Amino acid sequence: AQKITQTQPGMFVQEKEAVTLDCTYDTSDQSYGLFWYKQPSSGEMIFLIYQGSYDEQNATEGRYSLNFQKARKSANLVISASQLGDSAMYFCAMREVSGYSTLTFGKGTMLLVSP
Amino acid sequence: DTGVSQNPRHKITKRGQNVTFRCDPISEHNRLYWYRQTLGQGPEFLTYFQNEAQLEKSRLLSDRFSAERPKGSFSTLEIQRTEQGDSAMYLCASSFDRTPFEQYFGPGTRLTVT
Repeated sequence: AQKITQTQPGMFVQEKEAVTLDCTYDTSDQSYGLFWYKQPSSGEMIFLIYQGSYDEQNATEGRYSLNFQKARKSANLVISASQLGDSAMYFCAMREVSGYSTLTFGKGTMLLVSP
Repeated sequence: DTGVSQNPRHKITKRGQNVTFRCDPISEHNRLYWYRQTLGQGPEFLTYFQNEAQLEKSRLLSDRFSAERPKGSFSTLEIQRTEQGDSAMYLCASSFDRTPFEQYFGPGTRLTVT
């Protein structure tokens, strides 16, 4: 079974609007971390935001926020006020405590921001 | 510091040839990871070093793959007798012991096997 599921292959949003990218995960660990990375066409993975499984507050980093619903095992990324430069692939990833900090990634969601 | 660097950025090789990639992590980072990313997929973990010790290897890492980090600084990933299925982006990441979850990725090496 997939550990990280991103069900949206592609998403379209207009500039300045908010968009939510979905991510669900599967783990039996009690302690784990959830991440979102952005990968522009240049190929480099850019770290956006992190949420620990014991964190009570949803993580926020500037225009990015992570909507963490532990019981539903979901960790959706919300981008507020989209910009043209947000067009990229977005990957959700998980680090399980048993995994030497290695990351398991989903298949990604391509976000296109239009003017 | 300019971040994680990888060389070469692109490599085209013929099936059966050997190739070697290099990763230079952020200088104070003692953890180093290799991932492989094929088209339309997220990165998949290959192997992990803490300092010079290779602590974990994925089942994806066949006998044709070998990775080293001899002095705990830069790392090399070698693929022997390349196959067309090896065509992928090879990503390197590094992190610091105190913040192991903050992995910083390099730009990757894109390998094309013809």
